[in-house]
Amino acid sequence: DARVTQTPRHKVTEMGQEVTMRCQPILGHNTVFWYRQTMMQGLELLAYFRNRAPLDDSGMPKDRFSAEMPDATLATLKIQPSEPRDSAVYFCASGLVLERNSNQPQHFGDGTRLSIL
Amino acid sequence: AQSVSQHNHHVILSEAASLELGCNYSYGGTVNLFWYVQYPGQHLQLLLKYFSGDPLVKGIKGFEAEFIKSKFSFNLRKPSVQWSDTAEYFCAVTVETGRRALTFGSGTRLQVQP
Repeated sequence: DARVTQTPRHKVTEMGQEVTMRCQPILGHNTVFWYRQTMMQGLELLAYFRNRAPLDDSGMPKDRFSAEMPDATLATLKIQPSEPRDSAVYFCASGLVLERNSNQPQHFGDGTRLSIL
Repeated sequence: AQSVSQHNHHVILSEAASLELGCNYSYGGTVNLFWYVQYPGQHLQLLLKYFSGDPLVKGIKGFEAEFIKSKFSFNLRKPSVQWSDTAEYFCAVTVETGRRALTFGSGTRLQVQP
C-alpha cells in the first residue's frame, strides 16, 4: 500500500534550535496538509498545499513556522527558533482533490513526535 | 466556518457491548464526513467516509455510520466491540468550497475492557 512517509519519527531538542520535519506524500496526490496534535488543542490544521502552492497557512505562527514544498515528492515544516509550547505530534497528510469536489480522503503519515526542552 | 462536536470524550465498554459515538457538525452547505481511528502511538487511519448517496455507510472492522442531514449528525456505530477497538476516534468534515482541509472533532477515547 502507498503511504505517506514522515521523518523523523521522534525529535527531542532544546529550545531555540531549528527543527525541520519532512514529508513524502503519496505519489499522484496533489494536496499536502500539515496538522498538529496536542492534548489541549486536539488536531488542528497548520498549512496546506495544492500542486505545491501554499493555499492556507493561517493556522501557523508566522514568526517561527514555515512550510514549503520544494518539489512534488517533498514537503517540509520548519520551526525556527523552537519553543517548548511547540511540543506536539505533527502529522502530514496527502490527498487528491479534484476540481469540483473533494471526494478523496486524506492519508496520514505516522507523525513526528516533537519534544522541545 | 465549519465545526465538529464530539460529545463523548471518554467511553468505557465491555467486550461485545454495542457502540455508538456521537458526532455533530455545523455547516449549512454540502459536506463530506469522515471517521478516523488512532490506535495508541499510531497515525490516523480512515474508518469510513460519506460523500453522497446512501446515508448509511459501512467501513472497515465492522464499523458503520449514518448521516442524518436534518440533525447534522454522523454517528459511528459498531454492534459488538472488541478489546482491539481500544483507540481514539475522530469525526471530521470537509466542505465543498473553500478550505479542503479536515476539521476535526476533539476525539472520543474508547476503552474496551476484556
